[in-house]
Amino acid sequence: GAVVSQHPSWVICKSGTSVKIECRSLDFQATTMFWYRQFPKQSLMLMATSNEGSKATYEQGVEKDKFLINHASLTLSTLTVTSAHPEDSSFYICSARQDTREAFFGQGTRLTVV
Amino acid sequence: SQQGEEDPQALSIQEGENATMNCSYKTSINNLQWYRQNSGRGLVHLILIRSNEREKHSGRLRVTLDTSKKSSSLLITASRAADTASYFCATVRNSGNTPLVFGKGTRLSVIA
Repeated sequence: GAVVSQHPSWVICKSGTSVKIECRSLDFQATTMFWYRQFPKQSLMLMATSNEGSKATYEQGVEKDKFLINHASLTLSTLTVTSAHPEDSSFYICSARQDTREAFFGQGTRLTVV
Repeated sequence: SQQGEEDPQALSIQEGENATMNCSYKTSINNLQWYRQNSGRGLVHLILIRSNEREKHSGRLRVTLDTSKKSSSLLITASRAADTASYFCATVRNSGNTPLVFGKGTRLSVIA
């Protein structure tokens, strides 16, 4: 299948700082990227959908000013967690899809805010 | 919003036995997919079944889809210890370019 690269795979940051997570589609053009969040032993919760060149659409309850999503090109989307707090510690996973084809997932980023 | 609901939430079996996990969903779908996730890792796509398909096989995996009941099942035959993981179903709705919506998952433990 297609390859989606997510970076970093893990990050520890201090409370109040910002963290950027990158999601790249390596061998296809991702017209749409999705960002998910997963707490321990729970399922993946969709945070936002981003289409290349457009503003992201956030799910209810997700603060768009806190979780900044940029999808400036067909191969790259970034999620920036601004002013991170310990409760933002979680596993973040991106997914990329070309048109309405199968979605492919990155390996996830484990964020720990101390 | 969460659409799929898997059951059981946790399943423990002996190596060599078959494991069956079920998934129900609420809205009409374009396709349903099953994923596997090892603890703390990313997702591995297992199989995709489209709304006009009833059954699909891939190696030791067998997936069924009943759109009238809005349910799907994943059968893993001759399970191995390495199959220990969480399994999620995810649906794509009919309308537009919609995201995968995941169920709560089944945690499968295969005991050697």
